[in-house]
Amino acid sequence: SQQGEEDPQALSIQEGENATMNCSYKTSINNLQWYRQNSGRGLVHLILIRSNEREKHSGRLRVTLDTSKKSSSLLITASRAADTASYFCATDVVGDSSYKLIFGSGTRLLVRP
Amino acid sequence: DAGVIQSPRHEVTEMGQEVTLRCKPISGHNSLFWYRQTMMRGLELLIYFNNNVPIDDSGMPEDRFSAKMPNASFSTLKIQPSEPRDSAVYFCASSSGEGEPQHFGDGTRLSIL
Repeated sequence: SQQGEEDPQALSIQEGENATMNCSYKTSINNLQWYRQNSGRGLVHLILIRSNEREKHSGRLRVTLDTSKKSSSLLITASRAADTASYFCATDVVGDSSYKLIFGSGTRLLVRP
Repeated sequence: DAGVIQSPRHEVTEMGQEVTLRCKPISGHNSLFWYRQTMMRGLELLIYFNNNVPIDDSGMPEDRFSAKMPNASFSTLKIQPSEPRDSAVYFCASSSGEGEPQHFGDGTRLSIL
């Protein structure tokens, strides 16, 4: 069963614009992670946010977590063509091993030059 | 630094044949994961190991699938006999601890004819 669901499924923006992707999940978590996948490649870890954190930044990335709403958002500022990829959220489940991540279905981001 | 290395990158074989996928995790990582990615089901965890010991294989779809980790630097995922519905991209990932980011290889694209 899927824990995380990303929204939107696909997003097309112009280079320089900001991109926002959302993730909703169903059960209590210890942490939530965001990954990027370029076509034909493996997933690359972007950022991890723990359940007691509300916001985290890394370069042009900003992640928020609202545990009361069981949702997270990933904001990419000043997007570049190289940001074109699929983005996935992944969560663990409280009561289960935090080694086990459940991935959402992903958001496909296209950044037009 | 070398990342997670998977081989082969592509495999095309006929139904009924044995398929062996290989993975070399990042040196020093004590956890290894096998995932399968398809359009229909997304990214699914098949099995994971801690310190070379299989911990959770609840995601392995059938007895036709088996995985081993004979030492800290090598793991295999075997399908015998293979079926067309096993066609997918299989990823190996490793991490340094519970709740830590996972590092993915570039996957093996498997096609069963």
